[in-house]
This record gives sequence, structure tokens and C-alpha cells, in this order.
Amino acid sequence: GNSVTQMEGPVTLSEEAFLTINCTYTATGYPSLFWYVQYPGEGLQLLLKATKADDKGSNKGFEATYRKETTSFHLEKGSVQVSDSAVYFCALMISNFGNEKLTFGTGTRLTIIP
Amino acid sequence: GAVVSQHPSRVICKSGTSVKIECRSLDFQATTMFWYRQFPKQSLMLMATSNEGSKATYEQGVEKDKFLINHASLTLSTLTVTSAHPEDSSFYICGGTGVSDYGYTFGSGTRLTVV
Repeated sequence: GNSVTQMEGPVTLSEEAFLTINCTYTATGYPSLFWYVQYPGEGLQLLLKATKADDKGSNKGFEATYRKETTSFHLEKGSVQVSDSAVYFCALMISNFGNEKLTFGTGTRLTIIP
Repeated sequence: GAVVSQHPSRVICKSGTSVKIECRSLDFQATTMFWYRQFPKQSLMLMATSNEGSKATYEQGVEKDKFLINHASLTLSTLTVTSAHPEDSSFYICGGTGVSDYGYTFGSGTRLTVV
């Protein structure tokens, strides 16, 4: 079956530190990969995505590259800010014509301290 | 961009009562709505998938008579937690997809507390 293994948190970093949150996946077929962010008290927002191998998704300074050879989609940011404090979810989706279920990782809580 | 409005954001109810959660797609037609549940410090678990005009498909282990899902129109899907118990306390979130390139659009979630 499909699954996503995500780096366990919580992760605490100082402002301007480099961030990596690891994500690996197992999937039958060719998944699309996503990172979602959940700010305190809010729902999920799409942060970035990649739909095929070697694609790089990027948004708000975050990046992730779809690595088929290592089945990974690690999230990175060069210099984090306090406002990046949130829970980050890695997810995959196998398109199945009207049945595009998202499979989520367990989420990583990130706290940035000034 | 696509928006899904989910209400209420928080609700407290007494054990044994029913609670309805609504998700409305405001600027797109949500042909499919997914309902997830999130336990504290855990991931989102898919409960069911509903397509407009047809019965919802429930994931294994989810009681369909307890979690009633209705998707009567392309812009409205509801989840009703019937005869709620404290163990139903959780964060519920919907996500809609439509015939566009928006992909998934999530509501802001509902924090249900059953006392």
C-alpha cells in the first residue's frame, strides 16, 4: 500500500537557522508529492508540490525535490522565521480518476524561537 | 484561488447528542469531498470519500451509521456525528476537489469536544 514516513518532531530551531524535514514514501505507481502546513488553530494549506521525478516544488522560501531513486521529498528552507512555526505534513496522492486520496505522514511540529 | 468554508470552527456538545459540520466550496464545484479526522499529535486519517449525488465510501473501521456524510450538491457536503461520545472528540477537516487544477482545497477544520 501507500505510506508516508515523516521525520518525527517536535523540531525547535533558532531564527535564521537552516531547516530540513525528512520525508520518504512508499507507493504503487507514480505519486504526486505534497507538503502541507497547518498554522495554529487553522486548517491545512498547500505549501508546495511536485508531480514527477526530479521536479522541485518551492514556495515562501521552502523547497522540496521529488527524488524517485531515494523515494524522498525532503522539505528545506535556508533561513527560518518565527512565522514558520507550524505543523508540516508530507503527503502523496495517486491519481485514480475521481478518487485522489491523499495519504499523510504523521506531521512534524516546528517551533522557531527568536 | 479555491476556498472551502467549514463551520463551525469549534463546537462543544453533550454526550448523546448529534453535531453537524458543514463544508461549502465557495468558488468551485467540489465533485469529491474527503473527510479527515486528526487525533492529538497524530496524522490525518481519512474517514470517508463522498462524490456529489452518491453515497459516501467509508474507510475500514469507520462507522457509517455514526458518521453520516451527505454530499447533495456540488458546493455543500456535511458530516453529522450522531450520538456523540467523548471518544469522538477530535479535529475534523474536509478537503474538496473539483474539475480544475486547484487540487485539494481544505476547510479550516472543526474542533469537536464532547462532554
